[in-house]
Amino acid sequence: EAGVAQSPRYKIIEKRQSVAFWCNPISGHATLYWYQQILGQGPKLLIQFQNNGVVDDSQLPKDRFSAERLKGVDSTLKIQPAKLEDSAVYLCASSLLYEQYFGPGTRLTVT
Amino acid sequence: TQLLEQSPQFLSIQEGENLTVYCNSSSVFSSLQWYRQEPGEGPVLLVTVVTGGEVKKLKRLTFQFGDARKDSSLHITAAQPGDTGLYLCAGGGDSSYKLIFGSGTRLLVRP
Repeated sequence: EAGVAQSPRYKIIEKRQSVAFWCNPISGHATLYWYQQILGQGPKLLIQFQNNGVVDDSQLPKDRFSAERLKGVDSTLKIQPAKLEDSAVYLCASSLLYEQYFGPGTRLTVT
Repeated sequence: TQLLEQSPQFLSIQEGENLTVYCNSSSVFSSLQWYRQEPGEGPVLLVTVVTGGEVKKLKRLTFQFGDARKDSSLHITAAQPGDTGLYLCAGGGDSSYKLIFGSGTRLLVRP
């Protein structure tokens, strides 16, 4: 069974630029999550989808972050414009129930 | 707001030693999971505990869920360099399958 796929693995941008991350969850997993993990900390949930509907986006900075999950499968997370404090690893996970399976993450550096 | 605190934040030990990592909260969780994350990778699920007082063993790793379902511990016997990584606990509390992650314990096992 293929795992959660994410791309790109690394991205370096300047502040005020925009960036997009892509995630392909495990086939059949209805729930998809995007997390932000700052160095030395645990993952922080940004947004949770159930199929193509948003379950929780309470910690998503909506003035600059947006996410969508087309057709309830792949998902894209966008940041526009990026700030220095957005430097982090962005993790995508999917699940059937409570057990979440994570992708390798995208390491974003904002200079 | 539900929070999970992990201790210690960092642990450096010699191969063959035993160690315990703690995960504490003032909130009750319906399930508690432990993940291990290696550099450049996403977290990988080790175990899920759901019953107060439950103890699960995975080879040299022993996981315990507190009777009140507010805390958990991870004990590693005879640690090996391959156990090196970031250990994360995560609590689940409602039917949305959302997890709250702790800040992590970074373990270094020296050969």
